[in-house]
Amino acid sequence: DQQVKQNSPSLSVQEGRISILNCDYTNSMFDYFLWYKKYPAEGPTFLISISSIKDKNEDGRFTVFLNKSAKHLSLHIVPSQPGDSAVYFCAASEDSGNTPLVFGKGTRLSVIA
Amino acid sequence: DAGITQSPRHKVTETGTPVTLRCHQTENHRYMYWYRQDPGHGLRLIHYSYGVKDTDKGEVSDGYSVSRSKTEDFLLTLESATSSQTSVYFCAISVTAPGNQPQHFGDGTRLSIL
Repeated sequence: DQQVKQNSPSLSVQEGRISILNCDYTNSMFDYFLWYKKYPAEGPTFLISISSIKDKNEDGRFTVFLNKSAKHLSLHIVPSQPGDSAVYFCAASEDSGNTPLVFGKGTRLSVIA
Repeated sequence: DAGITQSPRHKVTETGTPVTLRCHQTENHRYMYWYRQDPGHGLRLIHYSYGVKDTDKGEVSDGYSVSRSKTEDFLLTLESATSSQTSVYFCAISVTAPGNQPQHFGDGTRLSIL
């Protein structure tokens, strides 16, 4: 049973336009959410996070939106750049004890020049 | 970059042989994790540690064991490797429990079992 779902395996966007990556979760106890970016032959790199007490967090070109009632979060990248081409993983955890992160399967973003 | 070193970076071995992967950190973080990444599956947790000699199982722990005798080292052992364990393995660390702090990852070990 997948608790974190990224239903789009891939996404192509033109350079300069907005990229929107989506993530859904089923566990209502999740209250901390993260996005990671992964280039080939490298480890995942932390990108941005959001706590359940917020509905938006922004860091430069990257904004994460959280809709708790819909159990949905999204990552917006504006403007998209060719260097953003990577696999993006959504992850979630409960803010209690030692509960580890649960990851989605990832979305491969291709930004076309 | 978080001070995480995984060794070896690449390994090819035969079915039935024992394999040990090492994760070494210089950050003195309490929490350490082992994941595997496979096409169509994303990142799946194998085992994790919340302190020296304190470990727990993750989602895909069968066929794997771990040990943590020092804060800085977390070892992953495949007692008798099988072809289904061919994968890319990532180690991660975090300062606190993952509920409010991100994990940081090493660059991975590509393991092929023939």
